[in-house]
Amino acid sequence: DIQMTQSPSSLYASVGDRVTISCQASQDIKNYLNWYQQKPGKAPKLLIYHASNLETGVPSRFGGSGSGTDFTFTINSLQPEDFATYYCQEYGDLLYTFGQGTKLEIK
Amino acid sequence: EEQLVESGGGLVQPGRSLRLSCRASGFTFGDYAMSWFRQAPGKGLEWVAFIRSKTHGGTTGHAASVKGRFTISRDDSNSTVYLQMNSLKIDDTAVYYCADSSGYYWGQGTRVTVSS
Repeated sequence: DIQMTQSPSSLYASVGDRVTISCQASQDIKNYLNWYQQKPGKAPKLLIYHASNLETGVPSRFGGSGSGTDFTFTINSLQPEDFATYYCQEYGDLLYTFGQGTKLEIK
Repeated sequence: EEQLVESGGGLVQPGRSLRLSCRASGFTFGDYAMSWFRQAPGKGLEWVAFIRSKTHGGTTGHAASVKGRFTISRDDSNSTVYLQMNSLKIDDTAVYYCADSSGYYWGQGTRVTVSS
């Protein structure tokens, strides 16, 4: 089974900062990677699909890159509503494995 | 408006069964592969099971942690996907979400608590 290693597990930042989250797959998953945002008590929200495609309606300050085994998620100019937990998820093998999550908190 | 609504969660004793339902509206349900995910209290997201559309054979897959105990199924005439959960364990305690397998549509979740 594919393992997804996401880092860091927590991140402190300020409004206006640029933040980056990494996700590494244990084997080549091409670009079969999603990025989600989850707020407490809510379902996850899909932000990025196919590693780098911005979902409709998602602000352009969110971005994703990478292919194969190494992926990056970036938020430019953090807004107050961006403080949440973020997950990567692979779907290359139809087991839909998630990374451990990154909790983004206000510094 | 596209919507997924889960139901069927609750408090159940270890070893007992529960069936979750997820009713879809606002999109052509039969065209979509569907999945169940779960999130234990204070933990991350875990995929549970998927089912392909009938057009793609309707085949299913289940996570190793639930294989042999949980079964996913679908009723396209009622735009509903089910999760039959048998031999429940305390570790199955979680909020269960249904979603389309692209990850775009999610339900609000239904809470399952397994406790004696």
